[in-house]
Amino acid sequence: GAVVSQHPSRVICKSGTSVKIECRSLDFQATTMFWYRQFPKQSLMLMATSNEGSKATYEQGVEKDKFLINHASLTLSTLTVTSAHPEDSSFYICSASITGGEVPYGYTFGSGTRLTVV
Amino acid sequence: LAKTTQPISMDSYEGQEVNITCSHNNIATNDYITWYQQFPSQGPRFIIQGYKTKVTNEVASLFIPADRKSSTLSLPRVSLSDTAVYYCLVGENFNKFYFGSGTKLNVKP
Repeated sequence: GAVVSQHPSRVICKSGTSVKIECRSLDFQATTMFWYRQFPKQSLMLMATSNEGSKATYEQGVEKDKFLINHASLTLSTLTVTSAHPEDSSFYICSASITGGEVPYGYTFGSGTRLTVV
Repeated sequence: LAKTTQPISMDSYEGQEVNITCSHNNIATNDYITWYQQFPSQGPRFIIQGYKTKVTNEVASLFIPADRKSSTLSLPRVSLSDTAVYYCLVGENFNKFYFGSGTKLNVKP
């Protein structure tokens, strides 16, 4: 089935530094990818929609200058958390829109990235 | 806003059948219903998808009434490893999904 590879699985960074998270679609092209954030014991919160070759669309309340999204190819989207602060510590998950096969209409998700800002 | 409503939590015992119901009163004609399972510190994993009536695969069944305003995920003979959060999502292909609260299933020995 369609697989999305997310890297790194966990990262610890110092406050004020930037961190890049990669999301790759394996064996399929993902024109649309989505980035979610999940705090402990909470549901996934959609942050932004990443479209290949165009600017990302951010959800209300999400700072686009802080969470930089780049979707330069059909298989790679990146999320960069700039000037990270402890409150940015969270679990970040990407997903890609897929068609056909096991999931006729839906999404496949990456394994997530645990970001800890110290 | 999430378009679905689910119970926050459910308890069950090993070997029992578990049914989790999701309400989606405003489901659109083109929307499919998809259920995902999430373990702690992992991304959601696809369980089953349907549009109407009943769908069954090797791990679950999905029951959708004619009006499609709700759906029920049925997990036969659950085990401890089925303890997880289950999300019901409705949407159309390539449209963004908003997650609801999900249902935390706790399977006891």
